[in-house]
Amino acid sequence: AQKITQTQPGMFVQEKEAVTLDCTYDTSDQSYGLFWYKQPSSGEMIFLIYQGSYDEQNATEGRYSLNFQKARKSANLVISASQLGDSAMYFCAMRDYGQNFVFGPGTRLSVLP
Amino acid sequence: DAGVTQSPTHLIKTRGQQVTLRCSPKSGHDTVSWYQQALGQGPQFIFQYYEEEERQRGNFPDRFSGHQFPNYSSELNVNALLLGDSALYLCASSLVPGTNYGYTFGSGTRLTVV
Repeated sequence: AQKITQTQPGMFVQEKEAVTLDCTYDTSDQSYGLFWYKQPSSGEMIFLIYQGSYDEQNATEGRYSLNFQKARKSANLVISASQLGDSAMYFCAMRDYGQNFVFGPGTRLSVLP
Repeated sequence: DAGVTQSPTHLIKTRGQQVTLRCSPKSGHDTVSWYQQALGQGPQFIFQYYEEEERQRGNFPDRFSGHQFPNYSSELNVNALLLGDSALYLCASSLVPGTNYGYTFGSGTRLTVV
C-alpha cells in the first residue's frame, strides 16, 4: 500500500525567504507520480507541481521546485521568495497511473511579514 | 471556463439522517472522484465514477454511495449519518481515468453532523 509522510505539522517562514516542506513516500510500484497541492482556507486543492518517477530532472514551476530523491523516497517542495499569499496547508500526494491520490497529513505554512 | 463546482458549500445534518452532495465536473472532463477530508487530515479517496459506473472505491462503508449522470455530473450520498462523517467532501474531475494531468478539485462541501 502507498503511504505519504509529512513530518512537519507547521512551518514558519519570513516573507521573501525560501522554505522547504518535507515529504517521504512508500510504495512498491516502479511507476508513480508525486504531487504537491496547496489548500487555502477556502478549501480548494490547488495543483502546484508534479514529478514522475522516471523523470530524471527535478520539476520546477515558477517559485516552486520539487527536490526528488528517488533512492531516499523523498519529494520535498521548495518555495522560493515566500509571499504572504503562500500561507496555507500544503499536501504531498502520490498516484499510480489509473489510481487515485493518496495524500499525506499536510503541513501548515505561515509566512510572516 | 468553469472549474469543478460543488453544492451546497455548507450544510448541517442530524445523526441518522441522509445527505446528498452534488458535483459538476470541469467542462470537457468525464471522470469524477470523491474525497473525504476530516479536520486536520489529508483527503481520503471515497470512489470514482466514469461512464456512469463506479470504477474504483476506497475503504469506505456501503453507507457511502454515488451516482454519475449522462452529463458527467455526480452525486455522493451518505446514509445513516454518524458524527464521524463530519468533514470537507471534495470532488475532483479529470479527462478519463488514470491521467496524471488536468485533475481539478472543487472547493468542497463542508458537512457537519450534529
